[in-house]
Amino acid sequence: EDQVTQSPEALRLQEGESSSLNCSYTVSGLRGLFWYRQDPGKGPEFLFTLYSAGEEKEKERLKATLTKKESFLHITAPKPEDSATYLCAVRDNYGQNFVFGPGTRLSVLP
Amino acid sequence: DTGVSQDPRHKITKRGQNVTFRCDPISEHNRLYWYRQTLGQGPEFLTYFQNEAQLEKSRLLSDRFSAERPKGSFSTLEIQRTEQGDSAMYLCASSPGTDRGAGELFFGEGSRLTVL
Repeated sequence: EDQVTQSPEALRLQEGESSSLNCSYTVSGLRGLFWYRQDPGKGPEFLFTLYSAGEEKEKERLKATLTKKESFLHITAPKPEDSATYLCAVRDNYGQNFVFGPGTRLSVLP
Repeated sequence: DTGVSQDPRHKITKRGQNVTFRCDPISEHNRLYWYRQTLGQGPEFLTYFQNEAQLEKSRLLSDRFSAERPKGSFSTLEIQRTEQGDSAMYLCASSPGTDRGAGELFFGEGSRLTVL
């Protein structure tokens, strides 16, 4: 059964203080690993898809990387508007289901 | 707006009542998903449609839950005889029909259910 864990559960950063969020996964044949951002009371917003180990994707202050067992979301010089919950999800080669982790709640203080 | 839309955004009901949520996916997407999310947790898969066919259903899904997607367009999720444990955010997502890439999900804003 596919599983996703994320750490830390919550993270508080000062504005400009770079850090990384971790997503560890076990999956029988990775079809894709996904990162989403979720603001309170809203649905998740798609950020990135990673397909294979070694791949990297960037968007503004965010960079996602992938190994065979985990993915990192690096946040460089974050701003208060980056505060949100960041969710990681995987899809395997055998079904249509996406399995989500519990998320990391990021707070960026001015 | 051409994103996924859900209605109602909020629903408060008494235990034992039935509730129905509606989802209108992105028009060119033929895959539609329902997820449930409770506070502090990630979304949990409920069911999946390709066009009008319901192809996957979580084994954790109670018989009180039913979903339909007539004509492969909008979808409804009905919960019968609601219980307090059903209180959650119900999320709908759609995905392009082709298998190019990994089929990213695009979510609606969710329907929050509170069962008193």
